[in-house]
Amino acid sequence: EVQLVESGGGLVLPGGSLRLSCEASGITLSSYAMSWVRQAPGKGLEWVSTISNGGTGTDYADAVKGRFTISRDNSKNTLALQMNSLRTEDTAVYYCAKDWKGGIAVAGTRFDLWGQGILVTVSS
Amino acid sequence: DIQLTQSPSSLSASVGDRVTITCRASQSISSYLNWYQQKPGKAPNLLIYAASSLQGGVPSRFSGTRSGTDFTLTISSLHPEDFATYYCQQSYSSPLTFGQGTKVEIK
Repeated sequence: EVQLVESGGGLVLPGGSLRLSCEASGITLSSYAMSWVRQAPGKGLEWVSTISNGGTGTDYADAVKGRFTISRDNSKNTLALQMNSLRTEDTAVYYCAKDWKGGIAVAGTRFDLWGQGILVTVSS
Repeated sequence: DIQLTQSPSSLSASVGDRVTITCRASQSISSYLNWYQQKPGKAPNLLIYAASSLQGGVPSRFSGTRSGTDFTLTISSLHPEDFATYYCQQSYSSPLTFGQGTKVEIK
């Protein structure tokens, strides 16, 4: 079965750090750009970050730039999101999502495979 | 940033109804517009890409059109499993943005 599975979520204090992982099975991620998309409780979808298939190109939403770092290990077929200096407004379900293409270029990006999501709660 | 405005925000419909959801972009995005369906507690699922292309495995009752900066998702005959929230997403420029969502409820 082709699937993406996120892990690493949980409860963290404001100012703390958390590292999310996304592991793929049934598919080789090295050919595809990968992204993180989040959804605050009861709210809509918000794009967070994208990394190119080779890992050399990255892009971030302004809301997380300088605090979050996206990375990938194609040898392990995994994607990661290192989240530092977390704020209460980062509370959300975080999804990893696969693009149909490999490059970092935005044009034509579409997410054709998603993980089940992992909840991150930032609260004191 | 490119803003996407969906209308309506919610609607009530019956099984068998024809349903239309609109997404208006704040500037030209060519045909770089995708549609997703999301059911409660689940991840989004890609329905339509490039404004009018049907994603593999998606029923043919779903269709998309473009007129300038206005995009439309149509469900020709609503099935029980179609009650969900629908989002549009633009991939013309960074940052990628989504519409606020349209919730389709049972009348």
